[in-house]
Amino acid sequence: AQRVTQPEKLLSVFKGAPVELKCNYSYSGSPELFWYVQYSRQRLQLLLRHISRESIKGFTADLNKGETSFHLKKPFAQEEDSAMYYCALSPTGTASKLTFGTGTRLQVTL
Amino acid sequence: EAQVTQNPRYLITVTGKKLTVTCSQNMNHEYMSWYRQDPGLGLRQIYYSMNVEVTDKGDVPEGYKVSRKEKRNFPLILESPSPNQTSLYFCASSLLTGPPLAKNIQYFGAGTRLSVL
Repeated sequence: AQRVTQPEKLLSVFKGAPVELKCNYSYSGSPELFWYVQYSRQRLQLLLRHISRESIKGFTADLNKGETSFHLKKPFAQEEDSAMYYCALSPTGTASKLTFGTGTRLQVTL
Repeated sequence: EAQVTQNPRYLITVTGKKLTVTCSQNMNHEYMSWYRQDPGLGLRQIYYSMNVEVTDKGDVPEGYKVSRKEKRNFPLILESPSPNQTSLYFCASSLLTGPPLAKNIQYFGAGTRLSVL
């Protein structure tokens, strides 16, 4: 069975500080990993996925198959980054069994 | 505007009174799915559909039904709601075919907050 673990429910950082939102997964096959974000009063939306290898809004995430991790990082947090972040996994090639973690709320304070 | 639309946004009902939450997408997506979001549990998949007339159970299907008679619609049916189905529900859709970077991205509705008394 596939599983996604986000160990922190809440992460509070100061503006300008580095951010790392942790995500670990368990899956026996080859996974596709995603980060979804939900800003206040907005819909859940895709932030980034590992196959695109992009930096979105300054965020990056590298898939580490050895450590089965997909941590989300940003060097300098901004106030507008405050949101709920979900890590998600699906078997490669299909979105049918997308499994979400429990989410981490990022709070960026001045 | 390309989007996923859920109705109603808020619903209060009583135990045992059948209800339907509608979900519609205008992006010609093959895949549609329902999730429930509960504090501390994240999003859990209820049912999903890979195309018209093709549906399958997710992780928490008990007490729910779905149908996919048309590509754009994927209603969630609670035949006999119970208080433990009080939750925030999300519908989502995605492309299953096409360029790799275009498919498998889920687009979410705004959510339906359901309270069962």
